[in-house]
Amino acid sequence: NAGVTQTPKFQVLKTGQSMTLQCAQDMNHEYMSWYRQDPGMGLRLIHYSVGAGITDQGEVPNGYNVSRSTTEDFPLRLLSAAPSQTSVYFCASSYSRGGGNTIYFGEGSWLTVV
Amino acid sequence: SQQGEEDPQALSIQEGENATMNCSYKTSINNLQWYRQNSGRGLVHLILIRSNEREKHSGRLRVTLDTSKKSSSLLITASRAADTASYFCATTDSGGGNKLTFGTGTQLKVEL
Repeated sequence: NAGVTQTPKFQVLKTGQSMTLQCAQDMNHEYMSWYRQDPGMGLRLIHYSVGAGITDQGEVPNGYNVSRSTTEDFPLRLLSAAPSQTSVYFCASSYSRGGGNTIYFGEGSWLTVV
Repeated sequence: SQQGEEDPQALSIQEGENATMNCSYKTSINNLQWYRQNSGRGLVHLILIRSNEREKHSGRLRVTLDTSKKSSSLLITASRAADTASYFCATTDSGGGNKLTFGTGTQLKVEL
């Protein structure tokens, strides 16, 4: 049982490049989400999904795309990276029903856009 | 925008002392959760308190929730150097979903 696995751990991109941050969970959780964490701040929600085939925007969705083709995977795509997207990205998952569920986080992906 | 404000922003104590962190939030909640983040690592879930609960304990952790004041506190008793980390509160709204809204965090340093 690996929990929530994110790859890569570190990435440097040039402005305008695209990339995908991978997230996988093996807990059969319906709910998955992506957050970004900027220095001195808490985490802010980018996108989330309540199940395969269903995604929705969070607080800061601009510049990011997501898809949820399987229960296990929830990749985050940066189509044209900008320096403002330099941040630490966290994927999270939980059971969906009823709310109030423990949410499990991955170890984070450190992204620098130059 | 950030839901929670945490106080203090930074806290430095000696090993063995108690550490208290406070969190305030703005809207009605379903539950409030506390997380720990060690430097360069992901978030670790510590404790969840539901909106109809007033106090909860887990080992050396004690969490209180006052929904009338829209505030919560996390008490770590008999702190250890290993407790050095950032601590975040996060809320889910009264709609019952799983979207977390985080506070800005308290950086705790426990010195030997």
